[in-house]
Amino acid sequence: DGGITQSPKYLFRKEGQNVTLSCEQNLNHDAMYWYRQDPGQGLRLIYYSQIVNDFQKGDIAEGYSVSREKKESFPLTVTSAQKNPTAFYLCASRKMTGRNYGYTFGSGTRLTVV
Amino acid sequence: QKEVEQDPGPLSVPEGAIVSLNCTYSNSAFQYFMWYRQYSRKGPELLMYTYSSGNKEDGRFTAQVDKSSKYISLFIRDSQPSDSATYLCAVYYSASKIIFGSGTRLSIRP
Repeated sequence: DGGITQSPKYLFRKEGQNVTLSCEQNLNHDAMYWYRQDPGQGLRLIYYSQIVNDFQKGDIAEGYSVSREKKESFPLTVTSAQKNPTAFYLCASRKMTGRNYGYTFGSGTRLTVV
Repeated sequence: QKEVEQDPGPLSVPEGAIVSLNCTYSNSAFQYFMWYRQYSRKGPELLMYTYSSGNKEDGRFTAQVDKSSKYISLFIRDSQPSDSATYLCAVYYSASKIIFGSGTRLSIRP
């Protein structure tokens, strides 16, 4: 079954800690994205990558970091510099060719600061 | 002004009713429009997409784009309790970005 797997489903972070959210896809998609979803604010783009070993900041990149060492994997690290990290994090991917511009999303990771 | 505006609801209708969900957008250059459905604690799933103006139908769902008024709509006929979810409109901005509305929470009462 092709899809995007995000793990863990729930994550708790203590103040001052860095945590890493995993995102793996087996769809052979070129581009991968990280979004943050807060109630009433919709989805906001954190980082995206269109090719291995290259990534760009989105609208709210401060306090986050990513890597893209393999086509299938795009982990997101929430650093201690992110002052309000409690949110629902969504990873998505897209094939860059063809006329279907939509994303495929993972099931999300809910991060809570304790 | 947000690039994509969507009424957050919540919207509650009885089973079998016709549902109309709407968004407006600001940039007349947008060409490609999408609707996603998101169940609670899940990721969004692509429901329908349309290119430029006009209607597109898929079973009980119809997506409509009116570029003259920068208005996009999703109609659900014969609504079912399983349609209860948050619906997000989205526009394709560039190869790097899709802009999402904030979502409308829909509840279908049995």
